Amino acid sequence: EAQVTQNPRYLITVTGKKLTVTCSQNMNHEYMSWYRQDPGLGLRQIYYSMNVEVTDKGDVPEGYKVSRKEKRNFPLILESPSPNQTSLYFCASSRRTSGDTKETQFFGPGTRLLVL
Amino acid sequence: AQSVTQLGSHVSVSEGALVLLRCNYSSSVPPYLFWYVQYPNQGLQLLLKYTSAATLVKGINGFEAEFKKSETSFHLTKPSAHMSDAAEYFCAVNAGGTSYGKLTFGQGTILTVHP
Repeated sequence: EAQVTQNPRYLITVTGKKLTVTCSQNMNHEYMSWYRQDPGLGLRQIYYSMNVEVTDKGDVPEGYKVSRKEKRNFPLILESPSPNQTSLYFCASSRRTSGDTKETQFFGPGTRLLVL
Repeated sequence: AQSVTQLGSHVSVSEGALVLLRCNYSSSVPPYLFWYVQYPNQGLQLLLKYTSAATLVKGINGFEAEFKKSETSFHLTKPSAHMSDAAEYFCAVNAGGTSYGKLTFGQGTILTVHP
């Protein structure tokens, strides 16, 4: 089954304790992205990756790091989490094909993070 | 730059009534436009998308949306609401002319359906 998986699904942590949220897709997609969702703000892009070893900042990258060492994985790293990073996080992936109207982005189930 | 505005953070309809969720976009180039639905405690599911082909786009679950360039709108409609349509709906734009790449989302509209 084609899917994007995220782990963990729920996480409670304390300020300053490094954490990693994993994202994996089994569709051989080149493009992967992280979003955070906050009430009244919709989803905002944190980082994205066009392919292995190619990453770039989205709209709200402060406090986050990413890496793309393998095509299927795109972990999100919070080196020193703070309470304002309490949010719902989504990973997404898609193929990179210009002009192909059949393609779309697939979203993972989300990771709910609470930073105390 | 691209942006999306969803008019109305909450919409309430009766079962069987017309559903109309409003979305206006801003984009400096011809956009791709999307509607996603999010059911409670679930991820996002694509309802439909506009990619510069037909201006009236039909999606899943009986939803459709019409791209109106002159009004910079992409409103989502469904002729008859069902209880199972209760969810949060997000409009999104990608000004890159592709189906991948950065999506800019609206604030979301919570749809409530009354019996």
